[in-house]
Amino acid sequence: SAVISQKPSRDICQRGTSLTIQCQVDSQVTMMFWYRQQPGQSLTLIATANQGSEATYESGFVIDKFPISRPNLTFSTLTVSNMSPEDSSIYLCSVDSGVRTDTQYFGPGTRLTVL
Amino acid sequence: QKEVEQDPGPLSVPEGAIVSLNCTYSNSAFQYFMWYRQYSRKGPELLMYTYSSGNKEDGRFTAQVDKSSKYISLFIRDSQPSDSATYLCAMSARNTGFQKLVFGTGTRLLVSP
Repeated sequence: SAVISQKPSRDICQRGTSLTIQCQVDSQVTMMFWYRQQPGQSLTLIATANQGSEATYESGFVIDKFPISRPNLTFSTLTVSNMSPEDSSIYLCSVDSGVRTDTQYFGPGTRLTVL
Repeated sequence: QKEVEQDPGPLSVPEGAIVSLNCTYSNSAFQYFMWYRQYSRKGPELLMYTYSSGNKEDGRFTAQVDKSSKYISLFIRDSQPSDSATYLCAMSARNTGFQKLVFGTGTRLLVSP
């Protein structure tokens, strides 16, 4: 399975600021995904990021709030913009397994607290 | 109604017990079923993958799918304290092209020595 790292692992931010989360994979992958995991709730897909094309956002998530970059096949970033306390969550990136498109491997997550 | 329902627990068992974790779902189009294990402050780790109905065994873990009842289970035999984690079920509708995974909320399992 792919080895995925995320930076930062955690951060505490002030309301109104932005944070960019990085996701690095040790092998080339077609699809990368960004999820949000809030306490007591299931993992929620924010968007799918393919290299060379704009990210595809799920209902309830917009590019202005969560801009995503995917400059190559091993790297992606998610920015949480104009943060509010409601954005406090764990943000996870994942990649498709390359064998089955419905199986994904996850990074360790970024724990974000917005004050 | 959520597409996937999962009891959040916590489920507390003594070491050596057989653990049963379950999810129900409402979308009959789901064909692919997964179990992920998530340790505290870590990302989810793929544990089991099953297609359609039936059983799949891997060491101490057995995954069961009953599509007629829209019910999936994960059994852990001879549970160990190291099995203490949150277990997430996930499912998707098909394997051609990307299909979004739908997750349960996770069941927290505590195995005491």
